[in-house]
Amino acid sequence: EVQLVESGGGLVQPGGSLRLSCATSGFTFSSYWMSWVRQAPGKGLEWVANIKQDGSRTYYVDLVKGRFTISRDNVKKSLYLQMNGLRAEDTAMYYCAREFGSGSYGYWGQGTLVTVSS
Amino acid sequence: QSVSTQPPSVSAAPGQKVTISCSGSSPNIGNNYVSWYQQFPGTAPKLLIYENNKRPSGIPDRFSGSKSGTSATLGITGLQTGDEADYYCGAWDSSLSNYVFGTGTKVTVL
Repeated sequence: EVQLVESGGGLVQPGGSLRLSCATSGFTFSSYWMSWVRQAPGKGLEWVANIKQDGSRTYYVDLVKGRFTISRDNVKKSLYLQMNGLRAEDTAMYYCAREFGSGSYGYWGQGTLVTVSS
Repeated sequence: QSVSTQPPSVSAAPGQKVTISCSGSSPNIGNNYVSWYQQFPGTAPKLLIYENNKRPSGIPDRFSGSKSGTSATLGITGLQTGDEADYYCGAWDSSLSNYVFGTGTKVTVL
């Protein structure tokens, strides 16, 4: 069974940093692109970033470029999101997601909540 | 950022059919596969349709997807109270090199 379990969320002050983790099991982690998707309270889904199987290629939404870094450890079967310079508008539930087929996300974690507030 | 537009809400009586539109552009829907997701409050999204019109295992055939040009449509037939949820379309955008979700549609069963 495919499982994605996020951790690392919490309350942080504006300008602060957090590192999110996504532990995976039930599939060959090194064979898939992985992504982070977030959802602000009461708002829609927003794709944040993704990373290629070997970590050699990454893409980011403009809003987080230069502040967030996506990475992975294929030995530990884990995905990470280092978030620096956090802003109030980064407050959201952050989901780890795995690709399914071509251009879709078939597996999601339960999410980890990030709150940026003073 | 949402570059695909969906109606904010649709509604119908139990047993009826609803359709949800997703309007995009050439770099996203026009040239890439469309997916559809269902989300209940407080839970993670669930994949309903991938590659425009395919259903993952376990998704009933009441749910269907189609694509034409730069627009896509999700259809739900035999509407049930358990279908009340938010629905999002999604596609890779080759120009932005981002995945883009639609604005989301709330389905209400009257």
